[in-house]
Amino acid sequence: GAGVSQTPSNKVTEKGKYVELRCDPISGHTALYWYRQSLGQGPEFLIYFQGTGAADDSGLPNDRFFAVRPEGSVSTLKIQRTERGDSAVYLCASSLIGGSNYQETQYFGPGTRLLVL
Amino acid sequence: DQQVKQNSPSLSVQEGRISILNCDYTNSMFDYFLWYKKYPAEGPTFLISISSIKDKNEDGRFTVFLNKSAKHLSLHIVPSQPGDSAVYFCAASERGYSTLTFGKGTMLLVSP
Repeated sequence: GAGVSQTPSNKVTEKGKYVELRCDPISGHTALYWYRQSLGQGPEFLIYFQGTGAADDSGLPNDRFFAVRPEGSVSTLKIQRTERGDSAVYLCASSLIGGSNYQETQYFGPGTRLLVL
Repeated sequence: DQQVKQNSPSLSVQEGRISILNCDYTNSMFDYFLWYKKYPAEGPTFLISISSIKDKNEDGRFTVFLNKSAKHLSLHIVPSQPGDSAVYFCAASERGYSTLTFGKGTMLLVSP
């Protein structure tokens, strides 16, 4: 079956612009996660959705970052007033149930490579 | 502060030999540990995991060992194959929380 897909695969923008990154999880997966991987680092947690609601947004670095999942499937990560330090690979993952089922496998998409000039 | 540490940025091994990748953690609340493998331009893919109630889990050529008292885990790949060349991430989660904390990764190069 189809895995997690992310669009666009690459995004180049200018400092100060607004960007939207899209994630399409595996069909039927309730839990959806966003991570950010900066150069030379491992993925860092940003936000986690259980269904339509953000169950944990403690990883969002500041209020320029926002994410939605209005129908409990596709999610959009939104970054306002982009800065050069936002340049990274943004990874999306999904799992079947999430929450207290913390031993579930998370399936990752290929990521969106964001470059802020 | 890094709660999951992979102190070796890279490792080179010859085909057929054993690869040992190491990971240390500082958070005593971590209850579940995973290894993910990542090829360039792809997302991480799950490899193997271990619960804190076990000290070893094996899946084919891959074995993960957990030493809770030392807060240390390792991934053994035997025998190593050139297709194993990738970046390996150690990750951990706390009981009841599904979000993952990752290490910085170790790049494994298996030469023929």
